[in-house]
Amino acid sequence: LAKTTQPISMDSYEGQEVNITCSHNNIATNDYITWYQQFPSQGPRFIIQGYKTKVTNEVASLFIPADRKSSTLSLPRVSLSDTAVYYCLVGDSRGRGSTLGRLYFGRGTQLTVWP
Amino acid sequence: EAGVTQFPSHSVIEKGQTVTLRCDPISGHDNLYWYRRVMGKEIKFLLHFVKESKQDESGMPNNRFLAERTGGTYSTLKVQPAELEDSGVYFCASSQEPYGYTFGSGTRLTVV
Repeated sequence: LAKTTQPISMDSYEGQEVNITCSHNNIATNDYITWYQQFPSQGPRFIIQGYKTKVTNEVASLFIPADRKSSTLSLPRVSLSDTAVYYCLVGDSRGRGSTLGRLYFGRGTQLTVWP
Repeated sequence: EAGVTQFPSHSVIEKGQTVTLRCDPISGHDNLYWYRRVMGKEIKFLLHFVKESKQDESGMPNNRFLAERTGGTYSTLKVQPAELEDSGVYFCASSQEPYGYTFGSGTRLTVV
C-alpha cells in the first residue's frame, strides 16, 4: 500500500486559496487518490477523489500530475469553517486502501484559517 | 437520510471497568467498520463487518475488545476490562457499494 506524506500543519487567512500537497511515491496503477476532511469532534468526511489530471467539485479541486507520485488538494477562498484536518489516502476506489475495505489514514494536515 | 450515529459521544470509566460503544449505521448499508485514534496517533482500522459477519478483524488490538453486529444492523464494541491505553476516539463508518464511507462523530473514551 502506498504511504502518503503530507505537511503536518498549514495556516491561511480567510479568502485565500490553500493548496495541500501529498506525496505518494509508491502509488500503484490501480490506486485512486482520495481526500477526507475532519472537523473537531466529528468523523472524517469524504471531499474529493481522483485518478489523474484534475477533478473539481463544489468543495475543492484535486490536481494530479502525470506521474501520479503526488497530488494537490486546492481549496478556493477558504473561510474560518474550513479549519480542519485534511487526510490524503491512496488505494482502490473510494479510498478504501485495500480490497479488504479498510482505509489507511496518515497523520493528516491541520489547516487553520485565521480571520 | 440519517447518518451514522454513535453512542455515547463521550465516556469516562475507571481502569478495569467495562464499556460498550454502539454504532447505528446508515440503514441498508451492509458494510460497517470500526476505527480508533489514540492520543497522538493515526486513525487505525479495527474491524469490518459485512452484514452480521466479521469480514476482517485483524485490526483488533487484543482479546479485551469484542465487536458484534446483531442481525446485520447496529454494532457494539465492548472493551472489557478497559486499560489506560484504550483511551481515544472510536469511530464507526458504514458504506454500501458503489458509494463511499460515511463516518459517525465518534465516541471519546477516557480511561482513568
